[in-house]
Amino acid sequence: AQSVTQPDIHITVSEGASLELRCNYSYGATPYLFWYVQSPGQGLQLLLKYFSGDTLVQGIKGFEAEFKRSQSSFNLRKPSVHWSDAAEYFCAVGATGFQKLVFGTGTRLLVSP
Amino acid sequence: SQTIHQWPATLVQPVGSPLSLECTVEGTSNPNLYWYRQAAGRGLQLLFYSVGIGQISSEVPQNLSASRPQDRQFILSSKKLLLSDSGFYLCACSDSNYGYTFGSGTRLTVV
Repeated sequence: AQSVTQPDIHITVSEGASLELRCNYSYGATPYLFWYVQSPGQGLQLLLKYFSGDTLVQGIKGFEAEFKRSQSSFNLRKPSVHWSDAAEYFCAVGATGFQKLVFGTGTRLLVSP
Repeated sequence: SQTIHQWPATLVQPVGSPLSLECTVEGTSNPNLYWYRQAAGRGLQLLFYSVGIGQISSEVPQNLSASRPQDRQFILSSKKLLLSDSGFYLCACSDSNYGYTFGSGTRLTVV
C-alpha cells in the first residue's frame, strides 16, 4: 500500500533563509508525487508534481523538489523563504496523475522575521 | 480547467443532527470525485471516492456516507452527527486532462 511520511511536524525558518521540507514515500512502482500548500482555512494549491523525466522539478512560487528513487524521497526546497510562505505543506503520492492520492500528515512552516 | 464549488464554508451543528455537504464541479466531464477530512495534526484522510454516477467507495468505516446523484455533484451526508465528525472537509476532483483540483473546504464544528 502507498504511504507518505513527513517527519517534521513544524519547521521555523528565518525570512530569507533556505528551506527544505522532507517527504519519504512507500510505493511499489514508479510513483506520481505531489507537493501542495494550504493556507489557514483554505483548500490545497498544487506547488509542483513529478511524473517522470527530469528528477528536479520546478514549481510555482520559487519552489522545487527533487525525486530520489534510491532514497524514496521527494524533498521540497526553496532558496529564500518569504513571510508569505508560512503555511502547511503536504506531500502526496498516487498511482497515476489523476487517481486517489495518499497524503502525508503535513509540515507547518513558520517564518520568523 | 476544473472548478469546484463547495459549500457552506463553515457549519456549526449539534450532536445528533443530520449533515449534508454539497460539492459541484465545472469544466470537466466524468471526473473522479473525492471527499477528504482534515483533522488537526492528522493530515488529509480520504473518506470516499467515486469514479462515476452512483459508484461510491468508502475508505474508512465511519458515521458518514456519500452519494453521487449526477456526474458533477458529490454529496457528503450523515444521519446523526458525532463530536468526532468535527473537522475540515475537502472535496476534490481529478481527470486525466487537468489532474487534481481541490475545493475551498467546509469547516464543520459539532457541538
